[in-house]
Amino acid sequence: NAGVMQNPRHLVRRRGQEARLRCSPMKGHSHVYWYRQLPEEGLKFMVYLQKENIIDESGMPKERFSAEFPKEGPSILRIQQVVRGDSAAYFCASSPPTGGLTSYEQYFGPGTRLTVT
Amino acid sequence: GENVEQHPSTLSVQEGDSAVIKCTYSDSASNYFPWYKQELGKRPQLIIDIRSNVGEKKDQRIAVTLNKTAKHFSLHITETQPEDSAVYFCAAKSGGGSGNTGKLIFGQGTTLQVKP
Repeated sequence: NAGVMQNPRHLVRRRGQEARLRCSPMKGHSHVYWYRQLPEEGLKFMVYLQKENIIDESGMPKERFSAEFPKEGPSILRIQQVVRGDSAAYFCASSPPTGGLTSYEQYFGPGTRLTVT
Repeated sequence: GENVEQHPSTLSVQEGDSAVIKCTYSDSASNYFPWYKQELGKRPQLIIDIRSNVGEKKDQRIAVTLNKTAKHFSLHITETQPEDSAVYFCAAKSGGGSGNTGKLIFGQGTTLQVKP
């Protein structure tokens, strides 16, 4: 049973370029969360999605950041016109459908480490 | 806004001793409290969790206690081993009920060092 998959694991972008981060949830999981971790800091919530729906984007910066979780394929976090301050580790987590005993548990992927030069 | 405070930020213990990490949360509707262990360069790994209808939960050498009235919860690791060395994060699930947002609010992390 594969865990949460993220790619790429490392991404280097120059200022002004676009970054696309991909996340495939665990099999059977229908909820995806994105978190950002700055160096030596905790994890900050960005966005929560279900298939074709954004449930909560209260942690997303208002500009340049967007996320989607299409009916087919992985969830994508997109950062346009990256700046040095976007350098961080971006983690995706997934959880099972609501209603079950384990529905609250979130399992994290290995993360994408974005470096903006 | 929603906030989780975690203490201490660093903790050094001798192998075999116990370690305790404490967190407080601000959202009284929070109903789920997981703990994650993160080794350097790795993903956060869920090690134990507790729901708001339970006061204590234990899994081998680790246990978590929850005081809803005081809005704080703690992680206890007994008989610590060098491989327990890592950063530990507490978190609280925002809001309450099954139809809520589900986002986790994390504490700032505790770097635990277990000296052989």
